[in-house]
Amino acid sequence: DARVTQTPRHKVTEMGQEVTMRCQPILGHNTVFWYRQTMMQGLELLAYFRNRAPLDDSGMPKDRFSAEMPDATLATLKIQPSEPRDSAVYFCASGLSGDEQYFGPGTRLTVT
Amino acid sequence: LAKTTQPISMDSYEGQEVNITCSHNNIATNDYITWYQQFPSQGPRFIIQGYKTKVTNEVASLFIPADRKSSTLSLPRVSLSDTAVYYCLVGRGSTLGRLYFGRGTQLTVWP
Repeated sequence: DARVTQTPRHKVTEMGQEVTMRCQPILGHNTVFWYRQTMMQGLELLAYFRNRAPLDDSGMPKDRFSAEMPDATLATLKIQPSEPRDSAVYFCASGLSGDEQYFGPGTRLTVT
Repeated sequence: LAKTTQPISMDSYEGQEVNITCSHNNIATNDYITWYQQFPSQGPRFIIQGYKTKVTNEVASLFIPADRKSSTLSLPRVSLSDTAVYYCLVGRGSTLGRLYFGRGTQLTVWP
């Protein structure tokens, strides 16, 4: 049963530190998404890639966030420097050229 | 970017049919309607997708009127395990445009 995996599952860090979240999409999927979920804002799309190329990152604060796909099996989301308002659950999802997105279990980030 | 409006919460009892309606007045000609389900501490999960009329799968049915300005997700004979947040999305597919999840509808099923 193919699944999207995310690491770490939980991260607690201090303000100002760099945070890196990793995602392994389902093998063969050509589209990868990064979402952020908070109680206040709900589920927000941060960025997405197709065939490893960034298609849209307009939902991402550019000054501190960056998303990359070093290869087809790894997507990363970095926050530098982190701030308390970045505390959220970050989800990665992958899909094919259709419309169904498969979500990972998420990374719960707490910035103190 | 077509946004959606759906009830914040709904309550039901086990064994009942639940209908969750979503409004999407600005839906574009090429847009599809997709519903996702999210349990606590998990990522959303695809339920069903449609373009017009009716779509049915093993989990739910999706009813879309001719004007496509709204849609209704129907869950037959719900159980406690159907307690979750349900999201209605409108868009042109995961690879072509941004999908807006919104706040979803919290469905609580009681015994």
